[in-house]
Amino acid sequence: QSVLTQPPSVSGAPGQRVTISCSGSSSNIGADYDVLWYQQLPGTAPKLLIYAYSNRPSGVPDRFSGSKSGTSASLAITGLQAEDEADYYCQSYDSSLSGYVFGTGTKVTVL
Amino acid sequence: QIQLVQSGVEVKKPGASVKVSCKAFGYTFINYGISWVRQAPGQGLEWMGWISGHNGNTKYTHKVQGRVTLTADTSTSTAYMELRSLRSDDTAVYYCARDGIGGMWRLDHWGQGTLVTVSS
Repeated sequence: QSVLTQPPSVSGAPGQRVTISCSGSSSNIGADYDVLWYQQLPGTAPKLLIYAYSNRPSGVPDRFSGSKSGTSASLAITGLQAEDEADYYCQSYDSSLSGYVFGTGTKVTVL
Repeated sequence: QIQLVQSGVEVKKPGASVKVSCKAFGYTFINYGISWVRQAPGQGLEWMGWISGHNGNTKYTHKVQGRVTLTADTSTSTAYMELRSLRSDDTAVYYCARDGIGGMWRLDHWGQGTLVTVSS
């Protein structure tokens, strides 16, 4: 079972801004462990989108941004595009489980 | 460019074992680790464990510890995940991903995934 909670789905029209929340606890996000975000297009492997809360690997558009506050983190997508329709997962490290934990996943739909 | 290429589809009976390979290209294998992540049909991502490409140290999630063994062959830059005593709920796509030399870094490159189906 996932220990990081995300909304099952979010949607927006092209060009709009959407945010995805990731709620954790004092043993993971709240303990200042790194928060990462992955994008998974249908039928493909996940792709690293954000690391160290807000850094983007080379090639990831700056429309994607991450932030963290307390025991939660967020991913924002501005200027939503049709190609952004995918599943998004947050990830952190959990000290009580001594390993990585993933969020429950959020499906982004572009209306 | 950096690539992780995994072995092909597997179909196994309950109680059997499966061994999935993950061959790395385009980087120095011993300077990084490999994490394994699985995804059951229609479900989310689940981290299984990590192995260091440098010294073979491993970490496993409690859920599969005792049934899974991660190994690495530095001569061929290949990591392996063996899962024993397979059950129907082990049916999933298994991914390898490049991780840090000490683990707990970031999964910055992923394999294409290997579908393992457990069915009688």
